[in-house]
Parts: sequence; C-alpha cells; structure tokens
Amino acid sequence: GAGVSQSPSNKVTEKGKDVELRCDPISGHTALYWYRQSLGQGLEFLIYFQGNSAPDKSGLPSDRFSAERTGGSVSTLTIQRTQQEDSAVYLCASSTDRGETQYFGPGTRLLVL
Amino acid sequence: AQSVTQPDIHITVSEGASLELRCNYSYGATPYLFWYVQSPGQGLQLLLKYFSGDTLVQGIKGFEAEFKRSQSSFNLRKPSVHWSDAAEYFCAVGGVAGGYNKLIFGAGTRLAVHP
Repeated sequence: GAGVSQSPSNKVTEKGKDVELRCDPISGHTALYWYRQSLGQGLEFLIYFQGNSAPDKSGLPSDRFSAERTGGSVSTLTIQRTQQEDSAVYLCASSTDRGETQYFGPGTRLLVL
Repeated sequence: AQSVTQPDIHITVSEGASLELRCNYSYGATPYLFWYVQSPGQGLQLLLKYFSGDTLVQGIKGFEAEFKRSQSSFNLRKPSVHWSDAAEYFCAVGGVAGGYNKLIFGAGTRLAVHP
C-alpha cells in the first residue's frame, strides 16, 4: 500500500511569507506526527494528532507555527511570517492508534530566503 | 532528562567490512528503541525496533541491534557492509507515555562506504 506522502517536496519562499505543508498519512493510521530536521537542532518533535483528541502542540517552536488535521486524515502545517531559521526539512509520520512504530514520509525541504 | 547519544558523527568503512554504530540512551522507563536510515533527499526508513523480549533484534537489509539495559545501549551492527548502505543512521527512543510515542532522536551517524 501507499506510504506517507508529503507535498510539496521542495519549497522556496521569501522571508515574511506564509507557507503550507501537507501530509497524507498511511490509510488507516489514526496518529499523525510532525517533526523538523534542521542542521543545528537535529530531528525535533513538533506536534502530534490522534483521532479527535486535542493535539499535543508542545514541540511547536513559536506561535507562527500551527497545524490542523481535517477529517482525521490529511494534515497541514502552516508557518506564518517565515524566518530564515525556519529553513529545514519538515517530516511527517503516521502510526496506528497504539503508536509504537512511526512511518515517515519523504519530507518537505523548506528554504526561506 | 530523556536523550539519545550517537557518539560518532561520521564513520567510514570499506565495502565488505563489518559495521557497528553506537547508540546510548537516557530514559526514565522501559524504552522503545528504533533505528532509522535516511538516504540523501529521502525520508526516514525504519530498519528495526525493540519493544520487549529477545534483546537481539533483526531488521531489514541485514542489520541487527542488541539492547543492553545495563549499558543503556542499542548498537546497530552489520557483518558485511555494501556500498548502498552509505546513508545517515538515526537511533531513537520513545515510549507510550501520555498515550502516544513521542520519539527522541540522536544526532545521527553519517556512514561512508569505500569501494
């Protein structure tokens, strides 16, 4: 079956612009995670969604970052007023509701000029 | 605090040689342990995982890892490396605390393979 998909694969934007990154989880997976991979910080947890429960947003680095998950499937990560330090690869993962193993998408490489 | 340490940032081996990538963790409870591999421009692919039971786990691509609780380690091994194994390897620790598995990753080890 299909794995986790993310779009776009690459995004170049200007400082101050808003960007939206999309994640399609594996069909049937109820849990969805966003991580950020950057040179200085490695792989960092951003946010977690599970079903209809309130998401865990504890990893979001600032209030410029937000995410939603519509219909318990597709998720969008939005970064407002992008800054150069937001340049990174944004990875999405999904898992079953037990959550032991996360399967990752190919990532979106974001470059803020 | 929960953390994962991968002491080796870069490792170079010759094709056909054996490989061991080190991983040490700090975690307050019985951990779930993972190794992921990332090829250039790609996402993370799960190599293997340990939840409980036999402390020697087998994964894909001929990799194995051994959980040693006394040493808080989960080292990854392969008896004979292939050129296609050149990639970055990440060790991660987690546990279903708070109802889900929030992974904490090490900084990664970049593997180069000489022909």
